[in-house]
Amino acid sequence: DAGITQSPRHKVTETGTPVTLRCHQTENHRYMYWYRQDPGHGLRLIHYSYGVKDTDKGEVSDGYSVSRSKTEDFLLTLESATSSQTSVYFCAISESGASTGELFFGEGSRLTVL
Amino acid sequence: AQSVTQLGSHVSVSEGALVLLRCNYSSSVPPYLFWYVQYPNQGLQLLLKYTTGATLVKGINGFEAEFKKSETSFHLTKPSAHMSDAAEYFCAVSAYTGRRALTFGSGTRLQVQP
Repeated sequence: DAGITQSPRHKVTETGTPVTLRCHQTENHRYMYWYRQDPGHGLRLIHYSYGVKDTDKGEVSDGYSVSRSKTEDFLLTLESATSSQTSVYFCAISESGASTGELFFGEGSRLTVL
Repeated sequence: AQSVTQLGSHVSVSEGALVLLRCNYSSSVPPYLFWYVQYPNQGLQLLLKYTTGATLVKGINGFEAEFKKSETSFHLTKPSAHMSDAAEYFCAVSAYTGRRALTFGSGTRLQVQP
């Protein structure tokens, strides 16, 4: 199994509070991704990173920010959580990018915003 | 830009029957195509992928898919369903150029009846 750890695995928070989800990898892969999974929508890309301090937005980036100060860690921050951000969040890593390389997924972080 | 359409959010088959999960893609450049499987409360894992070369691709657990450019399709098949195949299946597309991220379909939940 790919060495990907997401934390926390479960979190319940209130509207307006900040939340940070952490993705930690032990594979030294260059690419890291944050997706959210919602019924009927599959997985949608929030942000991704192609190296330390190099990040870019995905299709559903509004309300989210990311940081990558080390190869192994990719943080997703909700500055002020809203109920529409209740979802399951998946981190993924890839050695060469999704074009030819496989994405390895973490086990997900379930976030509930009340 | 790329997109994926999975026809049928739920598919039910009998054990031993043929499994056919449909995927159509849209891409302005030659696509790379993937099928992922997700078991309950887990992350996604790769079933198979098409990048270049042979258009019939074999994956794990007896699954295969055929890339048909003329039909813009990448349907997933398995000759004989097993109870353990019950899961959610996602088709995804990426391109060599541009963003190195996957675009996923909305998923198809496969139910296998005894």
